[in-house]
Parts: sequence; C-alpha cells; structure tokens
Amino acid sequence: KQEVTQIPAALSVPEGENLVLNCSFTDSAIYNLQWFRQDPGKGLTSLLLIQSSQREQTSGRLNASLDKSSGRSTLYIAASQPGDSATYLCAGVYGGATNKLIFGTGTLLAVQP
Amino acid sequence: EAQVTQNPRYLITVTGKKLTVTCSQNMNHEYMSWYRQDPGLGLRQIYYSMNVEVTDKGDVPEGYKVSRKEKRNFPLILESPSPNQTSLYFCASSRGPGLWDTEAFFGQGTRLTVV
Repeated sequence: KQEVTQIPAALSVPEGENLVLNCSFTDSAIYNLQWFRQDPGKGLTSLLLIQSSQREQTSGRLNASLDKSSGRSTLYIAASQPGDSATYLCAGVYGGATNKLIFGTGTLLAVQP
Repeated sequence: EAQVTQNPRYLITVTGKKLTVTCSQNMNHEYMSWYRQDPGLGLRQIYYSMNVEVTDKGDVPEGYKVSRKEKRNFPLILESPSPNQTSLYFCASSRGPGLWDTEAFFGQGTRLTVV
C-alpha cells in the first residue's frame, strides 16, 4: 500500500525566509508527483507537476524536486510572503493505480509578517 | 477561464434525503474524479471516470453513485445520505484518460453536512 508522508505537519516562519517542505513516499514506481496548495474555502490549486523522468520543476518562487530512488520530493519556497500561508499537499500517481492521486498528509504553513 | 465548477459550495441536509452535487469542467478533459477530505484521513477517491459512460469505483465508493453522460459533467449522487458522509468533497479533472502523465485540476469543494 502506497503511503505518502509530509513533514513537518505545521510550520511557522517569518516573512522573507526561504523554506523547504518535504514529501516522502514508499512506492518508487511513481509516474508523477503534483504539489497543491489548499486555502480555506478555495479548493485545491495545482502548483507544480513533476514527471518521473524529470528531476525538478520551477514556477516563480517555487521549485519542486523529485528523487525516485530515495522516495522523496521537496517543495522549495523562496522569499516567503504572508500570502503563501496555506496547507500544502503533495500527491502522486503510482504504478498499478494510475487512475487516482494518492495524497500526503499535508503541511500547514504560516508566514508571519 | 479553464476551471472545474462544483455546486453547491455548501449544503446541509437531513439523513435519507437524496441529493446531487454537480461538477462541470470546460477543458474538454476525458478524466474526472471525486474525492472526499476528512480530518486525519486526508483525501480519498470515491469514483472516477475515464470517459463518457466509463466509470469505476475508487477507494471509498459505498453510499455514492456517479454518472458520466456528457464529457463535461460528472455528478455525485447520494441516494440516502448518512451522517458519516459529512465531509468536504472535491471534483477533479485531467486531460487523461488516466493520470500518469497529466496535471489534475480541482474544483473549489463542496462542504456537505448530513444531520
């Protein structure tokens, strides 16, 4: 059974700090991994998609990496802002279950002004 | 604007009263799916559809029905809702037909309370 764990569960940082969110998965037969942010009352917003053949993707201040061999993905947020405060979820598509996303447990991020 | 639209956003209902949550996407996506999100359990898949008239169970299908008569719509039906179906529901779509190489887009969620 695939399991996806995100550490830490909650994180509070001052504005301007660079930070890293972690996502660990047990099944190395991963097709892709997607990072989302969830804001209260606003659903899930896709941030980045990394295919298994890629090692990283970048969008603005966000950079996500994928290491299949170690079963890890990281989301790097540069120069954090209060507007980055949200819950961040990673979700993967794995061999044998390519019709669903398996979600991590989430990291609640608070960026203090 | 490309989007997945769910309605209603909030719903309070009574046990046993049939209800439908609608989901519509305007991106001509083949794949659509429903998830529920519960504290401590995260997001779990209820049903998915790889194309019109093609649907299949996810991890927690009990108590739910779906249909895919048109490509853009994928309604979630609760024939006899019970309090354990109180949850936050999300609809998702992707170019598809599966998820192995495409990005998934989610709706804004439907907060359902069954009393």
